[in-house]
Amino acid sequence: DQQVKQNSPSLSVQEGRISILNCDYTNSMFDYFLWYKKYPAEGPTFLISISSIKDKNEDGRFTVFLNKSAKHLSLHIVPSQPGDSAVYFCAASGVDGGATNKLIFGTGTLLAVQP
Amino acid sequence: EPEVTQTPSHQVTQMGQEVILRCVPISNHLYFYWYRQILGQKVEFLVSFYNNEISEKSEIFDDQFSVERPDGSNFTLKIRSTKLEDSAMYFCASSLQRTEAFFGQGTRLTVV
Repeated sequence: DQQVKQNSPSLSVQEGRISILNCDYTNSMFDYFLWYKKYPAEGPTFLISISSIKDKNEDGRFTVFLNKSAKHLSLHIVPSQPGDSAVYFCAASGVDGGATNKLIFGTGTLLAVQP
Repeated sequence: EPEVTQTPSHQVTQMGQEVILRCVPISNHLYFYWYRQILGQKVEFLVSFYNNEISEKSEIFDDQFSVERPDGSNFTLKIRSTKLEDSAMYFCASSLQRTEAFFGQGTRLTVV
């Protein structure tokens, strides 16, 4: 039951160029989306989030775009830096009618930024 | 900057033994979670905890698992009788409300 999908297991970009990571979801009840960055043997680090009432959120070099009709979101990193090389996870949560905020994660995309 | 801390960083245990994984969430957060990641797989939700009780749990979180917030600062995950397939990275997380969850560095559990 893959409610959150990241179809690209890996992505390689040149330093200074734009990195675009994609994520698709199937559950229309999801109303909050997040991107996390993860280095090996470390916990996920929160990057940026977006509520379903918005279609764009920007924080420095990171911008998340949400297309609700297509159930698609993307993370843009510009300019990409070698230190951005990591696994990027898309995650989603929805209203369950209770005091909970369970995250459903995608499978991740390994980003390699080449110097 | 406040952070979620987890101990130990690595735990090796024999099959059938009990393990307790410990976490100190961010102090003003209200929601607490355990997730796990089996090697090569995605991060999976185990359980969420709010107002001193479990608010949601996944199918993975069976009777062998329990959580506790014994003293208002620590948040623990206990596995009563470990199996080989429990080997994974276990991540504790906390959040203030319906906002982003902040994760700890994880505990690598190896069951032999």
